[in-house]
Amino acid sequence: EVQLVESGGGLVQPGGSLRLSCVASGFTFSTSWMYWVRQAPGKGLVWVSHIRGDGSGTTYADSVKGRFTISRDNAKNTLYLQMNSLRAEDTAVYFCARGGFEMWGQGTMVTVSS
Amino acid sequence: DVVMTQSPLSLPVTLGQPASISCRSSQSLVHSDGNTYLSWFQQRPGQSPRRLIYKVSNRDSGVPDRFSGSGSGTDFTLKISRVEAEDVGVYYCMQGTHWPPWTFGQGTKVEIK
Repeated sequence: EVQLVESGGGLVQPGGSLRLSCVASGFTFSTSWMYWVRQAPGKGLVWVSHIRGDGSGTTYADSVKGRFTISRDNAKNTLYLQMNSLRAEDTAVYFCARGGFEMWGQGTMVTVSS
Repeated sequence: DVVMTQSPLSLPVTLGQPASISCRSSQSLVHSDGNTYLSWFQQRPGQSPRRLIYKVSNRDSGVPDRFSGSGSGTDFTLKISRVEAEDVGVYYCMQGTHWPPWTFGQGTKVEIK
């Protein structure tokens, strides 16, 4: 079964860090571009970051540049998002998505609050 | 950045009646490779987004044929020929031509009258 499963969300204080994971199955992960997209409570979808299949290229939204790092381990079929210097406005459900956004995970909630 | 503007933002519809959502981009979405990377997504309440349409008019596998996409350049439309109860949710357009960033519309909430 083709599947993406995110984990790692939770409650963190402003200025703190969190690492999200997205485990892929059912498709050739190593050749798939992967994305992180977030959705603040009651709001729309916002692209956060992308990484090429071999990890050779990454891009970031301006709002997270310098604070978030996307990476992948193709041997483990896993995508990561390291989030540092978290702010209240980073509070959202974070989704990983594959390819042309043709498939999405169920999301993991990140809450930044003191 | 390309701005995607959807209308309406709220769409009350009667079961069995058609519905139409407009999406406009701030610049042409025709890529240098000749393709137009405009997609539509459905997000049912409490669920993850699901891609319905890619490259303007191509339906994803398993998407009912009552959903159709059309348009060109900067002007695009998602149509539902006969709305069913399971179509309730928020619909987003997204451009993937001029990246980064990939940009979404604000979303259109479809509800039953």
